[in-house]
Amino acid sequence: DIQMTQSPSSLSASVGDRVTITCRASQSISSYLNWYQQKPGKAPKVLIYDASTLQSGVSSRFSGSGSGTDFTLTISSLQPEDSATYYCQQSFSTPTFGQGTRLEIK
Amino acid sequence: QVQLQESGPGLVKPSGTLSLTCAVSGDSISSSNWWSWVRQPPGKGLEWIGEIYHSGSTNYNPSLKSRVTISVDKSKNQFSLKLSSVTAADTAVYYCAVKRWLQPNWFDPWGQGTLVTVSS
Repeated sequence: DIQMTQSPSSLSASVGDRVTITCRASQSISSYLNWYQQKPGKAPKVLIYDASTLQSGVSSRFSGSGSGTDFTLTISSLQPEDSATYYCQQSFSTPTFGQGTRLEIK
Repeated sequence: QVQLQESGPGLVKPSGTLSLTCAVSGDSISSSNWWSWVRQPPGKGLEWIGEIYHSGSTNYNPSLKSRVTISVDKSKNQFSLKLSSVTAADTAVYYCAVKRWLQPNWFDPWGQGTLVTVSS
């Protein structure tokens, strides 16, 4: 299995801040990397697929980059509604998810 | 717009079999998608369980493969999950989700999820 490691596990930031979450794969996955947002009691929602493609309807404040083993999710200007847990997921082989990053708004 | 709805018992006894169904609306289960199950133990992360194509082809998480069966019912436009020999570690919210057949692919949309508790 390909292991996905996210960092940090949690973070706290203020409205308007630029936030970056990283995801590292245990082997190269090309650009087959997706990012999800999950709010309490809700199903995950895809934000970014194929490492950098913004899902339709998702705010342009979200962006993704990377290829190979190292990827980032960036929120350009943090808003209160961005408080959530974020997961990366590789689709190169048998799907696996990162452990999640809990984002809190100060 | 595809919509998914999970259903099944919320409580299963240890050593029993967990059985869930995912009803699909807004699309045919014979479309070019993988129909998937993902679970999330309370307070923990996401774990992919497995998937099925309308042809009956399946892929399973190696860590669960010996206990998992996913099947499809084209007449009812739904697919199902069976997980045998359950323990408390199988307590989780179980989601069904769609993944398109071609790469790149991702899980979207998801059902609302259903909590299954394993307890006597």
